[in-house]
Amino acid sequence: AQSVTQLGSHVSVSEGALVLLRCNYSSSVPPYLFWYVQYPNQGLQLLLKYTSAATLVKGINGFEAEFKKSETSFHLTKPSAHMSDAAEYFCAVSLNDYKLSFGAGTTVTVRA
Amino acid sequence: EPEVTQTPSHQVTQMGQEVILRCVPISNHLYFYWYRQILGQKVEFLVSFYNNEISEKSEIFDDQFSVERPDGSNFTLKIRSTKLEDSAMYFCASTGTGGNSPLHFGNGTRLTVT
Repeated sequence: AQSVTQLGSHVSVSEGALVLLRCNYSSSVPPYLFWYVQYPNQGLQLLLKYTSAATLVKGINGFEAEFKKSETSFHLTKPSAHMSDAAEYFCAVSLNDYKLSFGAGTTVTVRA
Repeated sequence: EPEVTQTPSHQVTQMGQEVILRCVPISNHLYFYWYRQILGQKVEFLVSFYNNEISEKSEIFDDQFSVERPDGSNFTLKIRSTKLEDSAMYFCASTGTGGNSPLHFGNGTRLTVT
C-alpha cells in the first residue's frame, strides 16, 4: 500500500521568506505524487503532480516540488511566501490518477 | 473555469436517519469520486464511479453507503442509517478522461450526525 507522511502539521513563515513543506512517501512501485492546497471553505485544488517525466515539477502560484527517489521525498517549496499562500497543504500518493492516499496536511500561516 | 459543486455545504442529521449528499460534476467529465475527511484525520478515498457503476471502493464504503447518477448531471452519495462516526467533510471529485487527468474537487459537504 502507498502512504505519505507530512512532517510538521503547522508551518509559520514571514512574508517573502522561503516556504518548505516536507513530504515522504512509501510505495512499492514508482508512484504518482501530488500536492493539493485547500483554502478556507473551499475544496482541494491541485498544485502540482509528479508522473516520472521530470524530477523537478513546477506548479501553480510559484510552487515547485522535487522528487528524490533516494530519499523517498517530494518536498514542496516556494521561494517567497505571499499572504495569499496561507492555507492547508496536502501531499498525496497514488498508483493511478484517482485513488489518492493523502497525508495529514500542513497548515501554513504567513506573518506580515 | 468549470467547477464541481456540492450541496448542501452543511448537513445536520440525527443518528439513524438517511442522508443524501449531492454533487454536480463538471459537465463533460466521465469519472466521479467521493472522498471524506473526518475532523483531524486524513482525506480518505471512498468510491469511484464510471459508466453508471462503481469501479472501485474502499473498505470504508460498506453496505450503508451507495452512489448513484440519477440523471445526466447529478452524482449522489447516500448513507442509509447514519452513525455518529459518519460525521465528516465529504468531497466529491470528477475527472475527464481518467487517465492523466487531474481530480477536480468540490468544496465539500460537512455532515454532522447528532
